[in-house]
Amino acid sequence: RKEVEQDPGPFNVPEGATVAFNCTYSNSASQSFFWYRQDCRKEPKLLMSVYSSGNEDGRFTAQLNRASQYISLLIRDSKLSDSATYLCVVKMGGGTSYGKLTFGQGTILTVHP
Amino acid sequence: SQTIHQWPATLVQPVGSPLSLECTVEGTSNPNLYWYRQAAGRGLQLLFYSVGIGQISSEVPQNLSASRPQDRQFILSSKKLLLSDSGFYLCAWSVGLAGETQYFGPGTRLLVL
Repeated sequence: RKEVEQDPGPFNVPEGATVAFNCTYSNSASQSFFWYRQDCRKEPKLLMSVYSSGNEDGRFTAQLNRASQYISLLIRDSKLSDSATYLCVVKMGGGTSYGKLTFGQGTILTVHP
Repeated sequence: SQTIHQWPATLVQPVGSPLSLECTVEGTSNPNLYWYRQAAGRGLQLLFYSVGIGQISSEVPQNLSASRPQDRQFILSSKKLLLSDSGFYLCAWSVGLAGETQYFGPGTRLLVL
């Protein structure tokens, strides 16, 4: 089983649609969670961290379910500029120790007019 | 503000040739530094990380090596490139003991022929 699994998609949605991505992780000791966005042939960029209570940043909402080891990202009112690959990222460890980031393979989103 | 540079942006090298990729960070001190590789259609794989000058940890055995001669400089090298070394090489940095969020450089696209 992969450490971080995502549905690779691609997801093709019209502008204005709501789309949700899911991600599962295998290591129950994982402590930090992130969503990154990667445009074609570019570096990944942090979209948002994911907190236990869930968090929202504009049109983006991230949720974490530790019991099910599941993370989600919801995008409302999709824009053409949201087209990208979305990477689910999990970090095990914390405090003063080094924590390795494990990346999912990414979910491809295409928003069309 | 912090910035991270990588060069070259693109590189085409013959099999068996040496490699040297450079990464530098500005605007921060004592960052944690990382080298990742992203092969075509695959997720990011952590190659090396460093928590200080001269301190290198390798994540996977491979044909590559890393060095950190200065606080904000991280170098990825190979004595003899293999075809399988082709990929998108990304340098990243983070701060703090827990090494939370990582920020990526623009990457180097390497093609070994």
